[in-house]
Amino acid sequence: DTGVSQDPRHKITKRGQNVTFRCDPISEHNRLYWYRQTLGQGPEFLTYFQNEAQLEKSRLLSDRFSAERPKGSFSTLEIQRTEQGDSAMYLCASARGTGLEKLFFGSGTQLSVL
Amino acid sequence: SQKIEQNSEALNIQEGKTATLTCNYTNYSPAYLQWYRQDPGRGPVFLLLIRENEKEKRKERLKVTFDTTLKQSLFHITASQPADSATYLCALDGVDSSYKLIFGSGTRLLVRP
Repeated sequence: DTGVSQDPRHKITKRGQNVTFRCDPISEHNRLYWYRQTLGQGPEFLTYFQNEAQLEKSRLLSDRFSAERPKGSFSTLEIQRTEQGDSAMYLCASARGTGLEKLFFGSGTQLSVL
Repeated sequence: SQKIEQNSEALNIQEGKTATLTCNYTNYSPAYLQWYRQDPGRGPVFLLLIRENEKEKRKERLKVTFDTTLKQSLFHITASQPADSATYLCALDGVDSSYKLIFGSGTRLLVRP
């Protein structure tokens, strides 16, 4: 396994700008997750995909957030009209997708909204 | 709604001692529970998974227990080392989706040499 790759590692943006993050999961992993984490807190679930289908999205997630996973491989997470409250670490994880199983996390994208 | 509680205060222990971390949950019965380790600036790394019908699971110096009556999991690291210093997260499957992991806030462990 080459691991889950996230890009960029750090992103600084101004309030109101749009940002997009990319996640490359471990190859052949069917399931892909996005989480958000702030300092001192555990990862907060945002959404997950089974192949290219987005199966669940957190009810807490603003409609400014959108995620895609075209062709069931890499995924992108876009945040439109960023707000200072969006500042956090955005983590991507993947799993084989065969049942109850562990998640493999990337190193995350640290977003700072000024 | 489901709630997961981990001690927010850091656990500070001497090298060689056993570290015991607690994870409590309320308002539902998870099918399984997982423990992860997280180092600063990195994503969580999976350690152990225990199912609802299992009482205990071991892996090298790690041991996890799962008490569905008390709604509690204990995570033990025996013969702790400074390299074990990290934040430890417990995670449970979501009440409405077994494939969604819900994480606690984590407990920071500091092992003094």
